[in-house]
Amino acid sequence: DGGITQSPKYLFRKEGQNVTLSCEQNLNHDAMYWYRQDPGQGLRLIYYSQIVNDFQKGDIAEGYSVSREKKESFPLTVTSAQKNPTAFYLCASSLGTGNIQEQYFGPGTRLTVT
Amino acid sequence: EDKVVQSPLSLVVHEGDTVTLNCSYEVTNFRSLLWYKQEKKAPTFLFMLTSSGIEKKSGRLSSILDKKELFSILNITATQTGDSAVYLCAVPAAGNKLTFGGGTRVLVKP
Repeated sequence: DGGITQSPKYLFRKEGQNVTLSCEQNLNHDAMYWYRQDPGQGLRLIYYSQIVNDFQKGDIAEGYSVSREKKESFPLTVTSAQKNPTAFYLCASSLGTGNIQEQYFGPGTRLTVT
Repeated sequence: EDKVVQSPLSLVVHEGDTVTLNCSYEVTNFRSLLWYKQEKKAPTFLFMLTSSGIEKKSGRLSSILDKKELFSILNITATQTGDSAVYLCAVPAAGNKLTFGGGTRVLVKP
């Protein structure tokens, strides 16, 4: 079964702690993306990666970090510098970025920081 | 800066009604516009539109793009409770990163 998995589904952390969200895909997609969704709002791009060992900041990268050491994996770390980390985080992938391609989304991780 | 605006923010209809959702955009170097449906979690892809005036159809859903007036419409006919969701519109920028609108929340009552 091909797809994108994110874990965990729900994550609770205390303020001041870093936390890493997992995203794995077995679709052989080159490009991967992280979005944040706040209640009643659309998705905002945090980081994206077009190829292994390369990634770019999206619109709201401050307080986040990523790595892309393997094609299948694109973990997102929410650092203590992120002022409002509580949100729903969605990972996505697409075949590539050179052509227009729809993005496929994982099931999301809901992070709550108290 | 690319901008995507959806309207209305939300609407409530009864089963059997027809729904029309709007998405207007301002982007440099427009290539396509995408529609997604988000029920509880992951958005699922509905349509990709690249050409003006050509309707895309999938069952009771259809969508059309107007590149002159810079908007797209998503229509849902004979709505069912399973159509209740947030409908998201997005436009790709450089690197295929998507700029999303705020979404329209549709609630279909039995």
